[in-house]
Amino acid sequence: AQKITQTQPGMFVQEKEAVTLDCTYDTSDPSYGLFWYKQPSSGEMIFLIYQGSYDQQNATEGRYSLNFQKARKSANLVISASQLGDSAMYFCAMREFNYQLIWGAGTKLIIKP
Amino acid sequence: NAGVTQTPKFQVLKTGQSMTLQCAQDMNHNSMYWYRQDPGMGLRLIYYSASEGTTDKGEVPNGYNVSRLNKREFSLRLESAAPSQTSVYFCASSDPAGSRETQYFGPGTRLLVL
Repeated sequence: AQKITQTQPGMFVQEKEAVTLDCTYDTSDPSYGLFWYKQPSSGEMIFLIYQGSYDQQNATEGRYSLNFQKARKSANLVISASQLGDSAMYFCAMREFNYQLIWGAGTKLIIKP
Repeated sequence: NAGVTQTPKFQVLKTGQSMTLQCAQDMNHNSMYWYRQDPGMGLRLIYYSASEGTTDKGEVPNGYNVSRLNKREFSLRLESAAPSQTSVYFCASSDPAGSRETQYFGPGTRLLVL
């Protein structure tokens, strides 16, 4: 069974709108971490935001926030006021007990002007 | 502070040739990783090194070897390249001292095996 599922292969969003990228995960480890990375067309992997399984509050980093619903095993990335530069692939990843990251297949986000 | 650097950026090999991908980090991180990314897919872990002197297999280790030369450097070797190894290779590093264990990535090496 897949441990990280990103159900949206691609999304088109109008500039300045908010966008939610979905991520669901599966683990039996009580201690885990969830990450979102951005990969622009230039190819580098850029760390965006982190949520620990014991964190009481949803993580926020500037325009990025993570909607963490532990009971539903979901960790959706929310980008507020989207910009053209947000067009990229977005990957959700989970760290379990052995510190290895397990990656989703990604969502391609295109921001329309 | 360069972060994670990788060489080369691009490489074309013929089937059966060998090569070594180099990775270095200047963040004093203990852990280092090698991933491959195939078109339309997420990253898959090839090998990782939790600390200097140790290496372990990841999800897709076949056809690869690694060397953790020192704390800074972690190399990936293809002994006999195959077309199935055409991919983009990323090196990453992280610091286990922090609870996040956030991985920081190099720019990647694009490898084409003909």
